[in-house]
Amino acid sequence: ESVLTQSPDTLSLSSGDRATLSCRASQIFNDNFFAWYQQKPGQAPRLLIYDTSRRAAGIPDRFSGGASETDFTLTISRLEPEDSAVYYCQQYGGSPLYTFGQGTKLEIK
Amino acid sequence: QVQLQESGPGLVKPSGTLSLTCAVSGVSISNSDWFSWVRQAPAKGLEWIGEIWHTGSTNYNPSLKSRVTISIDKSKNQFSLELKSVTAADTAVYYCVKNGWYSLDFWGRGTLATAS
Repeated sequence: ESVLTQSPDTLSLSSGDRATLSCRASQIFNDNFFAWYQQKPGQAPRLLIYDTSRRAAGIPDRFSGGASETDFTLTISRLEPEDSAVYYCQQYGGSPLYTFGQGTKLEIK
Repeated sequence: QVQLQESGPGLVKPSGTLSLTCAVSGVSISNSDWFSWVRQAPAKGLEWIGEIWHTGSTNYNPSLKSRVTISIDKSKNQFSLELKSVTAADTAVYYCVKNGWYSLDFWGRGTLATAS
């Protein structure tokens, strides 16, 4: 089973800052089968990024995804208060087919 | 506009069977899409349970495979989840999801199922 390890566990930044969230995969099945989700309290997760770097419909261009070998990143530029949430990475292709990281909590000071 | 809505009993007795249904609107379940169930235990992360294709073909999480059945009802445009022999560890919010490109695209609001 592929394990996804996200870092940091918690990130506290100010409005206008740039956030970089990381996700390391123990196994890679396809460089592009990688996604990111945002989850606010009491809400379902929302797809932000798929195919490693493609934004889902309606996602502002402040959100971007990238990769370097086994490390995948979600970058949020120009943080806004509504970006406070837990962010999950997800990989497709192993067993189980969909695996998630443990989440990074982003707090906007 | 794609919408998914979970329904089912919120309380299941231990050793019983959890049964949930997902009503899909805005897209025909008979199209070429996979649909999944994902759960989230209280204050925990996300766990993928399994998926179903419009033909009825399924894939399951190996950790749950012996207890899970996902089925589809094209006439009602809905799909369902059955989880047998539940324990307290199965207490979670259960989400139904329309799959996207190797990702999980449209999510229902989720329904809390408690084994107690």
